[in-house]
Amino acid sequence: AQSVTQLGSHVSVSEGALVLLRCNYSSSVPPYLFWYVQYPNQGLQLLLKYTSAATLVKGINGFEAEFKKSETSFHLTKPSAHMSDAAEYFCAVSGTGRRALTFGSGTRLQVQP
Amino acid sequence: DTAVSQTPKYLVTQMGNDKSIKCEQNLGHDTMYWYKQDSKKFLKIMFSYNNKELIINETVPNRFSPKSPDKAHLNLHINSLELGDSAVYFCASSQSRDQPQHFGDGTRLSIL
Repeated sequence: AQSVTQLGSHVSVSEGALVLLRCNYSSSVPPYLFWYVQYPNQGLQLLLKYTSAATLVKGINGFEAEFKKSETSFHLTKPSAHMSDAAEYFCAVSGTGRRALTFGSGTRLQVQP
Repeated sequence: DTAVSQTPKYLVTQMGNDKSIKCEQNLGHDTMYWYKQDSKKFLKIMFSYNNKELIINETVPNRFSPKSPDKAHLNLHINSLELGDSAVYFCASSQSRDQPQHFGDGTRLSIL
């Protein structure tokens, strides 16, 4: 079975500050990991994905994530937050033979001016 | 062109009614999914079809019946709607497990 835990349902940062959204996963096999962003009343948009190539993955909008097997983590970071980054962020995992994604509970990012 | 499109975007109806949501993808993907997002934003897989064959059927009331007429379409029919069915339903598609899923904009279902 696979699972995803996102620590912190709400994260608030100031504009220009570092963004760190935490994700830990549990999987019996090497996982495929994804971060998605959801803006209000919209669908999910892919930010980045880890599929066993480089452990540091760069995504869109200046986001990146680092896969750490020893810590079973895949935290999302951005050096400098922008007001437009305010949204809900989801970490997700897919495992062997099961294409469906298992999502974390989401983290709402607020960016203060 | 929209990659994954769902209709309708909003659905307001009364308890006990039957309704359908349609989904189409123009990405040429083999696999399509239905996810349910509840009021706390939690997303959970409901069904998945691969080349018109049902491959995932989570613990979902049998009032929910998916249908895939071809690999580009996946519809969701819901009978005897209940208050607890109020949620946002997302359709998605993908080509393989290591490739990301592409999501539609969702259908917001509200039961009065």
